[in-house]
Amino acid sequence: KNQVEQSPQSLIILEGKNCTLQCNYTVSPFSNLRWYKQDTGRGPVSLTIMTFSENTKSNGRYTATLDADTKQSSLHITASQLSDSASYICVVSATSGTYKYIFGTGTRLKVLA
Amino acid sequence: GAVVSQHPSRVICKSGTSVKIECRSLDFQATTMFWYRQFPKQSLMLMATSNEGSKATYEQGVEKDKFLINHASLTLSTLTVTSAHPEDSSFYICSARRSFAARGYQETQYFGPGTRLLVL
Repeated sequence: KNQVEQSPQSLIILEGKNCTLQCNYTVSPFSNLRWYKQDTGRGPVSLTIMTFSENTKSNGRYTATLDADTKQSSLHITASQLSDSASYICVVSATSGTYKYIFGTGTRLKVLA
Repeated sequence: GAVVSQHPSRVICKSGTSVKIECRSLDFQATTMFWYRQFPKQSLMLMATSNEGSKATYEQGVEKDKFLINHASLTLSTLTVTSAHPEDSSFYICSARRSFAARGYQETQYFGPGTRLLVL
């Protein structure tokens, strides 16, 4: 069964600190993995996209890694800001031709001043 | 990046009435759009795949007569919640699929801002 699991479920950190969010998946055949940021009451916004051959991708203070062998990905946030408070969703696509996204359960991040 | 809009952003209605939500791709044509539902503190759940000019494909457990989808043009898909009940209260998000023939990422979904539905 295609699944995407994320940890931790929620996280609270102080402003300026770094944090790392984890994503494990069992999607096969794998096409690509995306990290989205979703602010409360808003739609998801793409942060990074990685294919099988890519093992790291950066977008400003956000750096995603991918290990296709172990089927794990991480999202590292550097020097967190209050505006980073949101849910972060790991999404995996399979090369099944259906173009469906398989969503993780998300990590809710709260950055405190 | 591509822009997808939804209207309305939030709606309150009485139980038994129908509510229509619009999803528009503003700067590209989308032959495929998706409708998702999201409950508090949960991830997005795919309800149906909307294909321009043909019938929508519904996920298991989603009532097609309850959630009517129309994708009449390449830039507009609508979701109508018929005879809404309080349990239909949720956050509804659409996405539009865009294909990039010249890129390594052959397709990607762009999400709308969501519609908050409250049924009293």
